[in-house]
Amino acid sequence: QVQLQESGPGLVKPSGTLSLTCIVSGDSVSSNNWWTWVRQPPGKGLEWIGEIFHSGTTNYNPSLKTRVTMSLDKSKNEVSLQVNFVTAADTAMYYCAREMYSISPYFDLWGQGTLVTVSS
Amino acid sequence: QSVLTQPPSVSAAPGQRVTISCSGSDSNVKYNSVSWYQHLPGTAPKLLIFGNNKRPSGIPDRFSASKSGPTATLGITGLQTGDEADYYCATWDSSLSAAVFGGGTKLTVL
Repeated sequence: QVQLQESGPGLVKPSGTLSLTCIVSGDSVSSNNWWTWVRQPPGKGLEWIGEIFHSGTTNYNPSLKTRVTMSLDKSKNEVSLQVNFVTAADTAMYYCAREMYSISPYFDLWGQGTLVTVSS
Repeated sequence: QSVLTQPPSVSAAPGQRVTISCSGSDSNVKYNSVSWYQHLPGTAPKLLIFGNNKRPSGIPDRFSASKSGPTATLGITGLQTGDEADYYCATWDSSLSAAVFGGGTKLTVL
């Protein structure tokens, strides 16, 4: 059974760096899949942040790409997300998900999410 | 402002049928495949439909979907109170080179 679990600091100061980890169990981040991050600000809808392939290839949401970095730690079977220069607008529930393809990508398995608040 | 447009809310009585639309454009819905998700805030979103109209194992056939041109539609029959949730469509946008979600639709089962 594949499970994803996000973790990281729940509070980040403005202009600081948000760093989250997604621990994957039951599958390998080295497998032929993409891994993605999605967020949901309070009271708003889902927003795609970006994706990373097992090779390390990444694609980011154009609205965030200057501040976002994703990486893989294959030894720990983890996917990481870093968002720099955060503001209150980055306050959100952050989800990691496994990405599959049927012509276009879809997200078949999701973590429970972790809430990140940006505040001084 | 979401790239994909969904109605903010829909409602229907238990046992009835409801549809949720997802309107996009040539660069996303029309020429890419659409997926649908059920989401209770604070929980993991759940994949309902992928590849425009395919159901993952475990998803009942009360959930179905279709697509015509730049508009996709999710249908739910035999509504249950447990279906109350937010529903999102998603697809790839070839112009943005990014995945995009609809704004979400809150389903209320009266």
